[in-house]
Amino acid sequence: QVQLQQWGAGLLKPSETLSLTCAVSGGSFSGYYWTWIRQPPGKGLEWIGEINLSGETNYNPSLKSRLNISVHTSKSQFSLNLSSVTAADTAVYYCARWDSRAGVPSHYYGMDVWGQGTTVTVSS
Amino acid sequence: NVVTQPPSVSVAPGQTATITCVGNNIGTYSVHWYQQKPGQAPKLIIYYHNDRPSGIPERFSGSSSGNTATLTVRGVDAGDEADYYCQVWDNSRDQVAFGGGTMLTVL
Repeated sequence: QVQLQQWGAGLLKPSETLSLTCAVSGGSFSGYYWTWIRQPPGKGLEWIGEINLSGETNYNPSLKSRLNISVHTSKSQFSLNLSSVTAADTAVYYCARWDSRAGVPSHYYGMDVWGQGTTVTVSS
Repeated sequence: NVVTQPPSVSVAPGQTATITCVGNNIGTYSVHWYQQKPGQAPKLIIYYHNDRPSGIPERFSGSSSGNTATLTVRGVDAGDEADYYCQVWDNSRDQVAFGGGTMLTVL
């Protein structure tokens, strides 16, 4: 059973950098897109961006200038860095896996495995 | 790519709930549906318009055509109360768009 375990700082000051890491266990790390999603308090889901093992990334254009998603293949981990945070970045952050078939990364099968979520608060 | 859902849908127990997701030519994109209960991560319930992951009851079904994708939940019970989100993968822009979410209330 594939599991995603995520961690990172939960309280930040404005202008600091948000850093989260997601570790994959119980299954293959290759052949998937790995993604980050966030949910502000009381609001809906917002896609942040994604990466595959080749290091190819897709980012939400609204966050792209502040965003870096990286992959650490040897550790089966991927990370999110979001710079210059403001109160508007306060949210629960989730990591997730895009399901795939035959070891080929795909967007056809939905995000089937999710991390437990990390609450990040930006406050002075 | 903007996709729009109704904020809320209410249905009596045992009845059928229908949740729509409207977007320009949404039927041509990969559409997925998620269920989220309070304090939990979202759960994939429909992928690629109308397929169900293992363990998802047949009561949940999806369809899409033209500008509208639809999630249908038959025989609704109290355990189905949750927020439901549609998600689109826009392969022309390599971006994900989520609908704003629909709160399903069982009366």
